[in-house]
Amino acid sequence: AQSVSQHNHHVILSEAASLELGCNYSYGGTVNLFWYVQYPGQHLQLLLKYFSGDPLVKGIKGFEAEFIKSKFSFNLRKPSVQWSDTAEYFCAGSKTSGTYKYIFGTGTRLKVLA
Amino acid sequence: GAVVSQHPSWVICKSGTSVKIECRSLDFQATTMFWYRQFPKQSLMLMATSNEGSKATYEQGVEKDKFLINHASLTLSTLTVTSAHPEDSSFYICSGTEPSYNEQFFGPGTRLTVL
Repeated sequence: AQSVSQHNHHVILSEAASLELGCNYSYGGTVNLFWYVQYPGQHLQLLLKYFSGDPLVKGIKGFEAEFIKSKFSFNLRKPSVQWSDTAEYFCAGSKTSGTYKYIFGTGTRLKVLA
Repeated sequence: GAVVSQHPSWVICKSGTSVKIECRSLDFQATTMFWYRQFPKQSLMLMATSNEGSKATYEQGVEKDKFLINHASLTLSTLTVTSAHPEDSSFYICSGTEPSYNEQFFGPGTRLTVL
């Protein structure tokens, strides 16, 4: 069965620390992968996406993610977090054809201490 | 990216009443729209997928008679929560896409509170 899993449910970091949030997927065939952020009380925003090509994807706000096919992973990274990065982060996957139905991971709640 | 709007952004209603939420694609024709539900501090749960002009496909466990979805045009889908109860209180999010896109574009969400 198709699935997307995020193993870090809660992460607490100090400002300037480096961030890596895990995302693993299970799909038959090729996959599109996404990272979204949801700030407190706000709507989903797309951070970055991977469809094909260069496995290192750069997104907004200094975030990047690396698609590692052999590990079925698409981890999100940021070299130096800020207090304003406090939010919930969701990884999502979809097939590369058809209805592009998303499967979301359970989310990772990040708290950055000033 | 493409823009999706939702209306209203928040709604409070009495138990037993019905509530309609609109989802509009503003600058593209959304041949497919999705409706999600998000409980506090939880992830998004897909409720249903709707293709313009067709009946919606509901996910397992979602009551189709309670959550009525209409996608009568390429720019508008509606979700009606019928006979709402407090347990229906949640954040409802829609998204849209069309065949040339490889992704969904999300609306800002509607917060429903049922008293």
